[in-house]
Amino acid sequence: GAGVSQSPSNKVTEKGKDVELRCDPISGHTALYWYRQSLGQGLEFLIYFQGNSAPDKSGLPSDRFSAERTGGSVSTLTIQRTQQEDSAVYLCASTKVGAADTQYFGPGTRLTVL
Amino acid sequence: DQQVKQNSPSLSVQEGRISILNCDYTNSMFDYFLWYKKYPAEGPTFLISISSIKDKNEDGRFTVFLNKSAKHLSLHIVPSQPGDSAVYFCAASGVPHRGGSQGNLIFGKGTKLSVKP
Repeated sequence: GAGVSQSPSNKVTEKGKDVELRCDPISGHTALYWYRQSLGQGLEFLIYFQGNSAPDKSGLPSDRFSAERTGGSVSTLTIQRTQQEDSAVYLCASTKVGAADTQYFGPGTRLTVL
Repeated sequence: DQQVKQNSPSLSVQEGRISILNCDYTNSMFDYFLWYKKYPAEGPTFLISISSIKDKNEDGRFTVFLNKSAKHLSLHIVPSQPGDSAVYFCAASGVPHRGGSQGNLIFGKGTKLSVKP
């Protein structure tokens, strides 16, 4: 497909477990972003990857959150020891070279922590 | 401390009439503004944008107006159609970012638009 894809679409986990969320950006897009949307809130920036530069992790809410991007393409967001407040929709977006502000979003992963 | 505010959580409009969605921001460093539209269970999709050097940008039924002195922008949809029913997010960028890119977007909480037939 031509768009950003994310998996799984839904994830239910128990408090304290670790989860991994995956994002496949649009082929050729150099920048990749993770956001989350909690109930009734806007999108909250988490982390940003641009090419081979060190990622901007300034939006990560705690050290339980980490992300990596392998080979400049696929990215994985990992949440360790999940808490109920981590429940949200996690969205990934990518941008093509020269259009850093037109972000193309995936459908998101809805995470529910019981 | 919200830098981008959409004070109306919802808006209901009759088909064929104008929809006006409003957005206010506090950071004068923002220089690029975007509107995204989101349907349930889908990611946001880009709708229209405006640079701070302009005060109006039009694309078909959608027009975005920017009032820099008031730090206010609005999205006008005319005529409104039932398929426009969605959540509309205002977003801003321009905060200096490592790597030279304008980096992450700052989003408002969204306004849910309902267009009634």
